[in-house]
Amino acid sequence: NAGVTQTPKFRVLKTGQSMTLLCAQDMNHEYMYWYRQDPGMGLRLIHYSVGEGTTAKGEVPDGYNVSRLKKQNFLLGLESAAPSQTSVYFCASSPFLAGDYEQYFGPGTRLTVT
Amino acid sequence: AQKITQTQPGMFVQEKEAVTLDCTYDTSDPSYGLFWYKQPSSGEMIFLIYQGSYDQQNATEGRYSLNFQKARKSANLVISASQLGDSAMYFCAMREEDSGAGSYQLTFGKGTKLSVIP
Repeated sequence: NAGVTQTPKFRVLKTGQSMTLLCAQDMNHEYMYWYRQDPGMGLRLIHYSVGEGTTAKGEVPDGYNVSRLKKQNFLLGLESAAPSQTSVYFCASSPFLAGDYEQYFGPGTRLTVT
Repeated sequence: AQKITQTQPGMFVQEKEAVTLDCTYDTSDPSYGLFWYKQPSSGEMIFLIYQGSYDQQNATEGRYSLNFQKARKSANLVISASQLGDSAMYFCAMREEDSGAGSYQLTFGKGTKLSVIP
């Protein structure tokens, strides 16, 4: 099993450009999450999904959109990138099982917006 | 108010010694859980240990144990017999139910950078 994978691993964008980050998991997990990690801030939740076709806002959703058309994929979109969106982005997934709450993380995507 | 507080930005420990990383939390939800994750310099997030709010005993996983003091709302990570490979950032996180969506979210602290000295 590959677990949680993220594409791409690195990206540099110019202000105003758009891009989509792809997260894929092969563990048949119901829940998926997008976080951003900034220096000294820990991880903050951007958006999440509790199942195929559903999405919800997290702590810092502004400037991002998400879609979960297939259970195994969770896409994070930046329509008009800003320098404040320079960050490391982590995707995570977790099962819908009582007592099994671990979130499994992808390797991260380092995004720089100039 | 912060939900997860890690008051130690950085810590040093001698190899083979034990170290405690502090974490306090704030929630009014009776059902919650506490995690510790390790992030080495390579950047991946590694799950270490989990404690549920109703668990009677402190969680242990190998050299990691969680000192859970519910009344004080603290969930400190204890690493015994530190190794050089333990040098990393350590994040405390809390799971709370999101009743509106039927799921749960994690809130992370800002982390503690642990350096193990040979």
